Amino acid sequence: DTAVSQTPKYLVTQMGNDKSIKCEQNLGHDTMYWYKQDSKKFLKIMFSYNNKELIINETVPNRFSPKSPDKAHLNLHINSLELGDSAVYFCASSRGNEKLFFGSGTQLSVL
Amino acid sequence: RKEVEQDPGPFNVPEGATVAFNCTYSNSASQSFFWYRQDCRKEPKLLMSVYSSGNEDGRFTAQLNRASQYISLLIRDSKLSDSATYLCVVIRSNDYKLSFGAGTTVTVRA
Repeated sequence: DTAVSQTPKYLVTQMGNDKSIKCEQNLGHDTMYWYKQDSKKFLKIMFSYNNKELIINETVPNRFSPKSPDKAHLNLHINSLELGDSAVYFCASSRGNEKLFFGSGTQLSVL
Repeated sequence: RKEVEQDPGPFNVPEGATVAFNCTYSNSASQSFFWYRQDCRKEPKLLMSVYSSGNEDGRFTAQLNRASQYISLLIRDSKLSDSATYLCVVIRSNDYKLSFGAGTTVTVRA
């Protein structure tokens, strides 16, 4: 069973569109994250939720809106996609501040 | 100054060699440390936690030097399959903020 699963794996879309990436974890963790990894391979945190509450919101355009319907899910919605949004987006989860478990990533390409 | 810094490499080593690299952190309140491994186009996966006393897992040895604020990873008897990017992760004790280094690329050649 996949511990942290995110869909879709690949997402190709036009500039200006709105898209969502879904993430689910079955590890019983209370904290979930979204990370962005750009072409330079640097992993940058975007958001972190603990028990459905937002605890980290780094400098991310407000076109990005996370939603956590329950502790096991953290979805990422992106409005008005821009070329610079092209990257790999990783969802992750942890128990408190313990080690992270990552999803397999979503490769977003904005044309 | 970045919170976590790593030598990006690449470290190109022959099979069987030993390779070691460090990761420095700027916040002395950092409390937890990990090494992750990331293969090309894959997600990062936990390689090992780093304990104050140092720890080994097979061919991998991790060390923590609090005085100089760095952690290290040593790989003995390198295998082709060790080729990857190694990311260090540091967690602060005051706010539990987790920071990734930019990664060190290791390439093991036959």
